[in-house]
Amino acid sequence: GQQVMQIPQYQHVQEGEDFTTYCNSSTTLSNIQWYKQRPGGHPVFLIQLVKSGEVKKQKRLTFQFGEAKKNSSLHITATQTTDVGTYFCAGRDMRFGAGTRLTVKP
Amino acid sequence: GAVVSQHPSRVICKSGTSVKIECRSLDFQATTMFWYRQFPKQSLMLMATSNEGSKATYEQGVEKDKFLINHASLTLSTLTVTSAHPEDSSFYICSASGLAGGHIQYFGAGTRLSVL
Repeated sequence: GQQVMQIPQYQHVQEGEDFTTYCNSSTTLSNIQWYKQRPGGHPVFLIQLVKSGEVKKQKRLTFQFGEAKKNSSLHITATQTTDVGTYFCAGRDMRFGAGTRLTVKP
Repeated sequence: GAVVSQHPSRVICKSGTSVKIECRSLDFQATTMFWYRQFPKQSLMLMATSNEGSKATYEQGVEKDKFLINHASLTLSTLTVTSAHPEDSSFYICSASGLAGGHIQYFGAGTRLSVL
């Protein structure tokens, strides 16, 4: 099955700084989904990308799907404490990347 | 978004007993349900995928006789941890997806299993 690698594993930022997490696959992905899991909570769906080169925005969050559909990124502009959590990507086969744990210092 | 209910949220049991976890999609028909296991500060590890009315597909290394999955209806899937041992202690999360939702996964709140 598809295997997605995610980096970095951890990211600690000062509030107001930007944050980016990357997801890479060894094979072409039919689509990619991003989820956020708050500490002690369960994953919550953020977005799905399907098209090559697709870019979607949700307020301060920008999601990109690579032209070759083998990589994706999530960028958060001007992080806030509410952004704290672990961000996961998942391919069509629903196997998750390792996740990037984001902590934000006020 | 869609609602998935998972029950119980927490269970503590003695070694050797079996534990059943239920996962229900409350407002949509879940053609596929997924069961994950998550260790502290780690990612979700897919255990099995179950389609309504058919046998579950287990991931490599997951014992199907140990983790029994039943997906008898479009709204309910169950995971039974048989003869649980302390090493089975973990956070188990289910998710459900349906055709109407474009294969987006909606997660239950998870079940924290502690085996003494």
